[in-house]
Amino acid sequence: TQTVSQSDAHVTVFEGDSVELRCNYSYGGSIYLSWYIQHHGHGLQFLLKYYSGNPVVQGVNGFEAEFSKSDSSFHLRKASVHWSDSAVYFCAVSASSNNRIFFGDGTQLVVKP
Amino acid sequence: EAAVTQSPRNKVAVTGGKVTLSCNQTNNHNNMYWYRQDTGHGLRLIHYSYGAGSTEKGDIPDGYKASRPSQENFSLILELATPSQTSVYFCASGARDRGNTLYFGAGTRLSVL
Repeated sequence: TQTVSQSDAHVTVFEGDSVELRCNYSYGGSIYLSWYIQHHGHGLQFLLKYYSGNPVVQGVNGFEAEFSKSDSSFHLRKASVHWSDSAVYFCAVSASSNNRIFFGDGTQLVVKP
Repeated sequence: EAAVTQSPRNKVAVTGGKVTLSCNQTNNHNNMYWYRQDTGHGLRLIHYSYGAGSTEKGDIPDGYKASRPSQENFSLILELATPSQTSVYFCASGARDRGNTLYFGAGTRLSVL
């Protein structure tokens, strides 16, 4: 069974700061790793995904994430955040061999002006 | 653009009543999912489906039934609603051959009184 851990429930930064949201997973097989964003009152929206190849993947709005097999991690980063990045961010893992997707509990990002 | 539509957006039900939440997708995805989201629990999978006529139990299926009459439609049924089922429910569609990227609806806020 896959598990996903997001160690920070809340992260607060100022506009223009860089941010890293942490995600660790456990699974022994071939997987997809994804990040989703949820603005207040809305459904989740896909940000980016890693399956193979370059461990650094680029997403929309300047987000990127880096896969590390040795650390079992897939951390999300942004070099300079904007107030509109305030949202809840979910990490997800999915085995390539089946259709189940497991989500972390989410990290609430607050960007102060 | 991929589209998942949920109805109703808001619902107030009485304890012991029957509630049906509907989901329609125009993505032509084989897989559809029902999640509930509660504070402190992230997203929890209730039921999912691989295609028309199929339903599978997720992690918290008790008290819920699902129906997938067609590729496009996936319903979640609460035969005897209880206050513990008060939550926000999200439907999503996805395709394994596209990396299991999920497309979410806007959510249904259900209150059981």
